[in-house]
Amino acid sequence: EAGVTQSPTHLIKTRGQQATLRCSPISGHTSVYWYQQALGLGLQFLLWYDEGEERNRGNFPPRFSGRQFPNYSSELNVNALELEDSALYLCASSSLGRSSGANVLTFGAGSRLTVL
Amino acid sequence: GQQLNQSPQSMFIQEGEDVSMNCTSSSIFNTWLWYKQEPGEGPVLLIALYKAGELTSNGRLTAQFGITRKDSFLNISASIPSDVGIYFCARYGGGNTPLVFGKGTRLSVIA
Repeated sequence: EAGVTQSPTHLIKTRGQQATLRCSPISGHTSVYWYQQALGLGLQFLLWYDEGEERNRGNFPPRFSGRQFPNYSSELNVNALELEDSALYLCASSSLGRSSGANVLTFGAGSRLTVL
Repeated sequence: GQQLNQSPQSMFIQEGEDVSMNCTSSSIFNTWLWYKQEPGEGPVLLIALYKAGELTSNGRLTAQFGITRKDSFLNISASIPSDVGIYFCARYGGGNTPLVFGKGTRLSVIA
């Protein structure tokens, strides 16, 4: 079974540009999560999509946005890039959406974004 | 609150030694998870805990869900070089709340 796949692996942009990161969840998983991992800050929750809808959003500015497609894959867009957006962006999927219970996430290897 | 206090921040140990790390929160949660991240990879689930007081083992790893539901511990026995990585605790509050992670414990094993 294929795991969570993310693309691109690495992305270099300059300040003010836009970045688009992509994620394909494990087959059968309907929920996709995005986390930002900047140096020394652990994993910061960005966005949660389930069945095509945004379920929750972390404490990030509106220039961080995303969407989930009918096939449950997802896209994260970061507009007006700033230097501090440089980080590893991790996507995870799970088979539990709004239902209660443990939300065990399976992560992809991440997309490393560097903003110059 | 939202943040988890994970300690220690980093550890340097000799191969064969036992390791202990913990995670605390000011609020009660119903699920604690422990993940490990190796260089160039995403975090991988090690152990999931669902009940206060629960003690769960996975090979040389043992994790406990604190009886107060505000903390969790992870122990690694007889460490080996492949134990190197960053260990994250995470807690889940239920409903539409996301999984919240600690800042991680970076483990280095000296052969």
